[in-house]
Amino acid sequence: AQTVTQSQPEMSVQEAETVTLSCTYDTSENNYYLFWYKQPPSRQMILVIRQEAYKQQNATENRFSVNFQKAAKSFSLKISDSQLGDTAMYFCAFMKINRGSTLGRLYFGRGTQLTVWP
Amino acid sequence: AAGVIQSPRHLIKEKRETATLKCYPIPRHDTVYWYQQGPGQDPQFLISFYEKMQSDKGSIPDRFSAQQFSDYHSELNMSSLELGDSALYFCASSPRDRDTSESSYEQYFGPGTRLTVT
Repeated sequence: AQTVTQSQPEMSVQEAETVTLSCTYDTSENNYYLFWYKQPPSRQMILVIRQEAYKQQNATENRFSVNFQKAAKSFSLKISDSQLGDTAMYFCAFMKINRGSTLGRLYFGRGTQLTVWP
Repeated sequence: AAGVIQSPRHLIKEKRETATLKCYPIPRHDTVYWYQQGPGQDPQFLISFYEKMQSDKGSIPDRFSAQQFSDYHSELNMSSLELGDSALYFCASSPRDRDTSESSYEQYFGPGTRLTVT
């Protein structure tokens, strides 16, 4: 079974500062994807960034970047130049890959509520 | 760009009633996922469909059933509703990878249906 752990229920950061959200996971799979999703007050689930486990290079999307440590099963999200609109619940998620199969369910962590203040 | 459509957006039912939630995936997306997010909880995978066949099953109660139709839209049928079924129900869709003909790893979420059982 796959488990995803987010140890920070809440975090806050001042506008323009940098914040890092932590995520660890447990799996026996060797090939998988990791994601960070954002859920603002509207409750819409929005994909922030993704990482393929076979890629050593950390993914980056504008102000968002990850620190992927496969051996440690760690996948943290760094948000640079935080903006008020970044205020949201952030979920770390895991998806195992099954070639020849359509199994693609997401396993989510419990989430980290990030508040960006002026 | 077209997004995943879910209807209704809000639904209020009484205990022991039935409810039907509908999901219209993005055009040319052939895989549909259903997730349930209880208050203050992370989303939990319920069930998925690929090419109108059930492809994976998670923690879906026996009182719930779902199917995917020939036009790829999906319906989640919930009977004998309980107070604990009150939640936000997400549908997500995935396209087929053009190179591998497998469902893509990326899931596009709909806005969700908020079900309240009284």
